[in-house]
Formats: sequence, C-alpha cells, structure tokens
Amino acid sequence: GEDVEQSLFLSVREGDSSVINCTYTDSSSTYLYWYKQEPGAGLQLLTYIFSNMDMKQDQRLTVLLNKKDKHLSLRIADTQTGDSAIYFCAERWGNTPLVFGKGTRLSVIA
Amino acid sequence: EAGVVQSPRYKIIEKKQPVAFWCNPISGHNTLYWYLQNLGQGPELLIRYENEEAVDDSQLPKDRFSAERLKGVDSTLKIQPAELGDSAVYLCASSFGQSTSTDTQYFGPGTRLTVL
Repeated sequence: GEDVEQSLFLSVREGDSSVINCTYTDSSSTYLYWYKQEPGAGLQLLTYIFSNMDMKQDQRLTVLLNKKDKHLSLRIADTQTGDSAIYFCAERWGNTPLVFGKGTRLSVIA
Repeated sequence: EAGVVQSPRYKIIEKKQPVAFWCNPISGHNTLYWYLQNLGQGPELLIRYENEEAVDDSQLPKDRFSAERLKGVDSTLKIQPAELGDSAVYLCASSFGQSTSTDTQYFGPGTRLTVL
C-alpha cells in the first residue's frame, strides 16, 4: 500500500516544541523524509531517516521512527515564527518514487 | 550554487489553450522529476527522467501531457489542450539519482497554473 497520513493542522506558541506526526503503510520503506514548504515556494528537504534507525537529531530537529507502529514524528524545539509552513512526510522504498502525505500546516503564535 | 530553476512562476490561460513549463536542474544532477501538486495535497509524481530517458511516466496523462529532456539537462512539460482541472502547481525536482543511497531530491519553486 502507498498511503502516508498526517494531521492537517498544528498550532503552537513561539518557544514551545512542535511535534508533527506521520503514519505510513509500507513496512519495507527504506527512507523517510521530512520536507518544509513555505508559501509560494517549493519543497525544502529538512531531514531524512533510514529505516534501520530509531532516531536522528539535527540541531532543533529530532526525528523519531517507530517501525512497529509505522509511525514517524518530527519534533521542532524552540519553535519560531519562521517555522510556520507546511510540513510533508514522504516515504520511499527500493526504486519507487517518493510518496508524500497531504502535509501538516504549522502555525506559530507569537 | 544555483538551485532548481523553473519558469514561468505563474501562468494564467484559458481552457483548451496549450501551455509549457521549463525546468533547469541543479548542475550534475542526472535525475529530473516533474510533480503535480493540487491545493491541499502533497506532490504526486508525473514523470521521472534518468538523463534523457523517461524511466517512469506511468502517472503522466499522455492524451494531453508531454515532456522532454532532449540533452539530459533542461526539461519542458507541456499540456495541450489545458483543462480546468489542470489548475495546480507544477514542481520540478532533481537529484543525483537512485544509484545514490538517499537520492535526495531538491525542488524548484514551482509554476502555478490557473486555467480559466
């Protein structure tokens, strides 16, 4: 199956942590990605995680992967107004193309 | 280093008219992708090129859509004739290719098409 699910909206206060969740269906997914899209712009790769990893940290970003539940999350520490955007989860396995979720719109309240 | 370049950024046409989008990938990237992004949705792959060869065009509506990448660098996506339902953002992306472990794709800003 090729179905990536995300909640559509998330609102947080500036300085708090944001957690964006994603579920995927294909247990053989090799790589899982998080992309950020600001208004009128293309997608910017934030980070990715290989399926044999449980966690990856990159500055304010922490990715957690629960392979048993097919659940991926992106935590943004100390969320800033510049983090307001749509965040897409995507999966890929083998030579198949990227499959994206519908995106989560993050709103940061000052 | 220049990213993926797309033009035009915006295009408004009447239905049944033709339209073309252009993409210049990142230098050295062999793989080029065209995606369709409808409002409120994630991108969906239309076609993938490895150099000049279209290796995955299964989602490209071939009755009205065509694409080319003649010299393995720039690419053009064409719609003829355009329909109202074609209104969307057309994204181009490029990567070094799936021979690399991550095949990280870099996206252009997209072309927003409005069909009236």
